Amino acid sequence: EVQLVESGGDLVQPGGSLRLSCAASGFTFANYWMYWVRQAPGKGLVWVSRIQSDGAGTIYADSVKGRFTISRDNAKNTLYLQMNSLRADDTAVYYCARRGGSAFDIWGRGTLVTVSS
Amino acid sequence: DIVVTQSPLSLPVTPGEPASISCRSSQSLLKSDGNNYLEWYLQKPGQSPRLLIYLGSNRASGVPDRFSGSGSGTDFTLKISRVEAEDVGVYYCMQGLQMPLTFGGGTKVEIK
Repeated sequence: EVQLVESGGDLVQPGGSLRLSCAASGFTFANYWMYWVRQAPGKGLVWVSRIQSDGAGTIYADSVKGRFTISRDNAKNTLYLQMNSLRADDTAVYYCARRGGSAFDIWGRGTLVTVSS
Repeated sequence: DIVVTQSPLSLPVTPGEPASISCRSSQSLLKSDGNNYLEWYLQKPGQSPRLLIYLGSNRASGVPDRFSGSGSGTDFTLKISRVEAEDVGVYYCMQGLQMPLTFGGGTKVEIK
């Protein structure tokens, strides 16, 4: 079965750090560009970051640039999001998603990050 | 950044009746390859989003044929020919033409 499973979400204090993981299975992970998309409580979807299939190219939303780092380990079929200097407005469910055929064709179930003192 | 605007914000529907959601972009999503880079997603309550339509009018695998996407350039529409109870949730359109990828604010579809 093709699936993505996120983990690593937690309650963290403002200014803290967290690393999210997204484990892929059922497909050739190394062939796909991967993304993080987040959703604040009761709000809409917002793109966060993208990484190319070989890990060479990355890009970030302005709101997280300089604080978040996306990476991947194709040998482990895992996508990561290192989040530093976390702020209250980073509170959200974070989804990893596969970009296949000009769309997000596979989404994970998400992992909740809460930034609060 | 390309701004994507959806309407209406909320859509009460009657089972068996048609429904329609509008999506407009601040720039044309029609690329030189002839494709419109507009996608539709449905997020059912408590679930992650699911792809419905890609490249403006192509149904994703497993999506019922009561869902259809149309439009070109800056104006797009998602139509449900006959709404079923399982279609409730929030529908999002998203432009995939350029970074940053941007989503519409969502349309909440609920049964009357």
